[in-house]
Amino acid sequence: QVQLKESGPGLVQPSQTLSLTCTVSGFSLTSYHVHWVRQPPGKGLEWMGVMWSDGDTSYNSALKSRLSISRDTSKSQVFLKMSSLQTEDTATYYCARDRDGYYYWGQGVMVTVSS
Amino acid sequence: NIVLTQSPATLSVTPGESVSLSCRASQSISTSIHWYQQKSNESPRLLIKYASQSISGIPSRFSGSGSGTDFTLSINRVESEDFSIYYCQQSYSSLYTFGAGTKLELK
Repeated sequence: QVQLKESGPGLVQPSQTLSLTCTVSGFSLTSYHVHWVRQPPGKGLEWMGVMWSDGDTSYNSALKSRLSISRDTSKSQVFLKMSSLQTEDTATYYCARDRDGYYYWGQGVMVTVSS
Repeated sequence: NIVLTQSPATLSVTPGESVSLSCRASQSISTSIHWYQQKSNESPRLLIKYASQSISGIPSRFSGSGSGTDFTLSINRVESEDFSIYYCQQSYSSLYTFGAGTKLELK
């Protein structure tokens, strides 16, 4: 069945780079787009960016200078890297599969930016 | 970027009432809008796709309407399990965006 699972460090120091992995199963990354969405504690959802099925990427304009999304299709993994982290980047980070809306989501990974 | 404005921010209702939640886009987006429900400490759940298309497994009391810039999520006779936060999202642009959400709370 379709599954997505985020993994990465729970704590990152300010100014450091965040690296997250979304490991998927039950579908091919070359057939579906995978998006990253984040949610600060007590706040709304923010779309971050997408790895399109053709390997292209798009990014939220507000994050574009700090954000990079890549993939390894052989390992069914999509990667997120975001640099220059600040406390306001503290959030739960989700990956989701796109096919006419996000029917499948990962469970999310909480990332705290703190020294 | 396309901005989605949801209203009201909070809606206080009693079970059994029927409600309408609004989502307005900053430009015409045809019917490229999706609705999600999020309960505390859970991943969001897709309720409606493309403004009005139903999703398998979602109760029929949830319905959507609209096109262009104005969209509505309707809940016919709210049940206790429906108290949560609802978000709209547009996929018209390659740069997706979410609305700020409407919290449906118990009056």
